[in-house]
Amino acid sequence: DQQVKQNSPSLSVQEGRISILNCDYTNSMFDYFLWYKKYPAEGPTFLISISSIKDKNEDGRFTVFLNKSAKHLSLHIVPSQPGDSAVYFCAAGDTGANSKLTFGKGITLSVRP
Amino acid sequence: DAGVTQSPTHLIKTRGQQVTLRCSPKSGHDTVSWYQQALGQGPQFIFQYYEEEERQRGNFPDRFSGHQFPNYSSELNVNALLLGDSALYLCASSSQGSDEKLFFGSGTQLSVL
Repeated sequence: DQQVKQNSPSLSVQEGRISILNCDYTNSMFDYFLWYKKYPAEGPTFLISISSIKDKNEDGRFTVFLNKSAKHLSLHIVPSQPGDSAVYFCAAGDTGANSKLTFGKGITLSVRP
Repeated sequence: DAGVTQSPTHLIKTRGQQVTLRCSPKSGHDTVSWYQQALGQGPQFIFQYYEEEERQRGNFPDRFSGHQFPNYSSELNVNALLLGDSALYLCASSSQGSDEKLFFGSGTQLSVL
């Protein structure tokens, strides 16, 4: 039973355009959501997070939106750059930053020059 | 400042053997979590260690065990290896009481033949 779902395995966008990565979850106990980025042969690196008390969090080119009623979150990257090409994982937790995280399967983003 | 370091980077074992993977957390971190990432999947939580004790555990059999040392480093042991144990094993560190996010190592790629 997948509690965090990233239904699109891949996304390809043109450099300079917006990338929108989607994530759905089923567990109502999740109160903290994160996005991690992973390059080949490296571990996941933290990108941005959002608490369930917010509906938006912005950090530079990256914005995460949370729709609690729909149990849906999305990551927007504007403008997209070739260096953003990586696998993006959505993750969720229910007891704060040090809790066990549940990850989605990941989305491979390719940004075309 | 060294991040999370894991050893070895690659390992090949045969079915039925035992394996030990090692992790040194990021400087200043006292909590270590282990994740298994199978091919095409997101990382899956195995367990978490703090103050040399297992604090949380995911849905993994007892063949998976761990240890944390006084210097906060950690080991993951897997007994009676199965072909299905082939995966990337990721170590992540954090600090209790801090909202700092999980820092991941680059992982150990385990192949079971």
